[in-house]
Amino acid sequence: EPEVTQTPSHQVTQMGQEVILRCVPISNHLYFYWYRQILGQKVEFLVSFYNNEISEKSEIFDDQFSVERPDGSNFTLKIRSTKLEDSAMYFCASSDDGTGAGANVLTFGAGSRLTVL
Amino acid sequence: GQNIDQPTEMTATEGAIVQINCTYQTSGFNGLFWYQQHAGEAPTFLSYNVLDGLEEKGRFSSFLSRSKGYSYLLLKELQMKDSASYLCAVRDLKQAGTALIFGKGTTLSVSS
Repeated sequence: EPEVTQTPSHQVTQMGQEVILRCVPISNHLYFYWYRQILGQKVEFLVSFYNNEISEKSEIFDDQFSVERPDGSNFTLKIRSTKLEDSAMYFCASSDDGTGAGANVLTFGAGSRLTVL
Repeated sequence: GQNIDQPTEMTATEGAIVQINCTYQTSGFNGLFWYQQHAGEAPTFLSYNVLDGLEEKGRFSSFLSRSKGYSYLLLKELQMKDSASYLCAVRDLKQAGTALIFGKGTTLSVSS
């Protein structure tokens, strides 16, 4: 079964450092997303990406965050200057265009756990 | 914005049936989704409703009433492995496009 792949699985960084989290979405999917989940809290939407541009973003997705699709397979989330409160699990997800039986269901990767010290 | 409410915790025994309720408020409703999340893992898709009524998938069923802003997930013949968080999520095209907005989740504990 196709899956969304994320790297690294766990990253530890110092406050103020830049972090790049990587994702390989399912190959025929057109919509890409980043979510985060702080330990013990809900899954929170950060940003969605379609046709090589951001389509929606939440209040959390401020100027410290950016996304990029540098080639035909990767989708990255960059945090420019990490803060302690950025410590969370970051999930990448992708979905198809909803014209088939998939109904634009989001498929999530296993996540990247970010720890900011 | 969205307001998605579901109970924080529920308990049940093996073999039983449990119903997890979810209420929501949206301005551009385009579907309600249920996901399962085991601790430390990714959410995995269970069920989807966009029209009123019941959708059945094996041991799992989901119901939607758009006029009431209400859904439930029904789990039958509970097994120990069903112990997990169950996440209710809505797609609100006006607020967040194709993205899903999640509730806080219901932690289900299944005991023998």
